[in-house]
Parts: sequence; C-alpha cells; structure tokens
Amino acid sequence: QQPVQSPQAVILREGEDAVINCSSSKALYSVHWYRQKHGEAPVFLMILLKGGEQKGHEKISASFNEKKQQSSLYLTASQLSYSGTYFCGTLAWPGGGNKLTFGTGTQLKVEL
Amino acid sequence: ETGVTQTPRHLVMGMTNKKSLKCEQHLGHNAMYWYKQSAKKPLELMFVYNFKEQTENNSVPSRFSPECPNSSHLFLHLHTLQPEDSALYLCASSQETSLEKLFFGSGTQLSVL
Repeated sequence: QQPVQSPQAVILREGEDAVINCSSSKALYSVHWYRQKHGEAPVFLMILLKGGEQKGHEKISASFNEKKQQSSLYLTASQLSYSGTYFCGTLAWPGGGNKLTFGTGTQLKVEL
Repeated sequence: ETGVTQTPRHLVMGMTNKKSLKCEQHLGHNAMYWYKQSAKKPLELMFVYNFKEQTENNSVPSRFSPECPNSSHLFLHLHTLQPEDSALYLCASSQETSLEKLFFGSGTQLSVL
C-alpha cells in the first residue's frame, strides 16, 4: 500500500518555510525523498533509515519517526528553485524486498 | 544530466502497434527499473532487474514485456496496448538495490490512441 503525503499542494512566497509529511500504515525500513520538476526526471534528495535519524541537504532536511511510521521533509527559507513535485518512497520492513513504493506527491510552488 | 538516457522522449501509437522503449545508463550500476507515472497517481513500479535478472514483476500485464540484455541497457516492448496505458514511463538505475538512491531518466511520454 502506498504512503500518504500531505499536503497535496502548497504555494509559498520566497523565503517562507514548508513541511511535507509522508505516512505509512506499514512498518518501514527506509523513507526516500525525490523532487521532480515539470518535464524532468525525478532527482534524489535523501534517504532516511529506521532508527529515527534526521538528515539535511542544504536548506532541506528530513526526519523519520519510526514509532509513527512517518517522515517529514522540511524546506526552510524557500527559493524559486525549490518548486516542483516532492515524492516520498517507502521500503517496508520486513518483507519490503526491492520494492520502493511512492506516494502521490506534493506540488510545491514558490513565488516571488 | 542524470546519466540515464531514455528514447524516444515522446511516442504515439495505435492499439495494434508494436513499439519498444529504450533505456541506457552510463553509471556502472547493476540494478535497473521501469516505473509508470500517470496523472494524479503515484509512481508505480513495474519491473526490477538486478545483474540482468528480473527480480520484481509488479503484476504487470503481459502486453508489457521487459528485456535486459546487459546491466547498462533496458528495454520495454509494447504490444496491443490500451488507451489507459498512456502515461510517462520512467527508467531508473541504482548501484544494486532499492536501498540506494535511484537515478531516473527523463522518461518517455506515451500516448495510446
């Protein structure tokens, strides 16, 4: 079963912050975050493994709450280049194998 | 440039046609994937190959036939498709498994008439 992302869409002014959530009904081994700009390939952002770690990538960071089976992606001081669709992908544990399951995505638009 | 190249970028075909999508990766990876991306739907895994061997077939209809002749090339052969098969087909590769980051191609936008 696919993870659920929220919100479905968000519009920001440049410099504002945003949080995108990804929730699963299954126990997870890892959560993967990707960003896709219109007409382009999805691009990897980061992977979080079970254990509740937090990672950062410039002004984009993420956390993984193992108890809630939920990951959150934090975008701070947003830039125009952050616009795109953000996808989370999850690997179930145990039994996830090689099957990364993606959510429906969150459309983010950053305006001046 | 992600190191994963897909051709063609756009394809229009009739339901009785036979066509093939091609994917090539220049990253030295051993795992390759086909994903389907439809509007308003999640990225849907179709097939996974590890070291040229198919390790996942996500209940994909037989009108989609993958082929992986070597670790650098992946094909998706299409025949007697349905209009609902119209979508963006993305190829991806990773070092070995889905535990690692995926490198996606830009996709083939397929329209079935």
